[in-house]
Amino acid sequence: GESVGLHLPTLSVQEGDNSIINCAYSNSASDYFIWYKQESGKGPQFIIDIRSNMDKRQGQRVTVLLNKTVKHLSLQIAATQPGDSAVYFCAENKNTDKLIFGTGTRLQVFP
Amino acid sequence: DTGVSQDPRHKITKRGQNVTFRCDPISEHNRLYWYRQTLGQGPEFLTYFQNEAQLEKSRLLSDRFSAERPKGSFSTLEIQRTEQGDSAMYLCASSQRDRPSSYEQYFGPGTRLTVT
Repeated sequence: GESVGLHLPTLSVQEGDNSIINCAYSNSASDYFIWYKQESGKGPQFIIDIRSNMDKRQGQRVTVLLNKTVKHLSLQIAATQPGDSAVYFCAENKNTDKLIFGTGTRLQVFP
Repeated sequence: DTGVSQDPRHKITKRGQNVTFRCDPISEHNRLYWYRQTLGQGPEFLTYFQNEAQLEKSRLLSDRFSAERPKGSFSTLEIQRTEQGDSAMYLCASSQRDRPSSYEQYFGPGTRLTVT
């Protein structure tokens, strides 16, 4: 079936540590994956994306890894800051422009 | 602010009433999307437009829901005879499909609907 799920509903990390948020997807036909950050009361904010022909992509303090063999996606945030506290969603796109989102992981950063 | 805007931000209505939401996409973005998000869940796709043409509708979009984008710019989403199950955040997003990184969808702040 079509589903994008997340392993952990809540992740707590100490400020300055690295965070890793994981996501499993079930549809091997997906060709594009995106990570969004959503703060309370706001719409999702684009973080980083990756196409299925890549296995790694880096942005500013963030890295996305794609393992197509096990259908796994991860978001790594370096030196996590209090402003990173939010819910993170992975989403997939199968060339239909319709994004399929998972249920999200809440990242809590404590001092 | 040149981002996606939505109006109103909050709407409280009684069951059975009709409501209409508006979305203004990023200027010149040719694709516009509507999603619905309930508490603790990720957004669910409802429908999308390329310019003024509605290209896809989810089965979630019952007969009580209608969306328009008459001039290919702003869009409206109307819900008729609202039900308590319609209570959710309604998100709008836009993208420019013909650019290299065109899969990026930029979201607005959403309209939170509460049906009492």
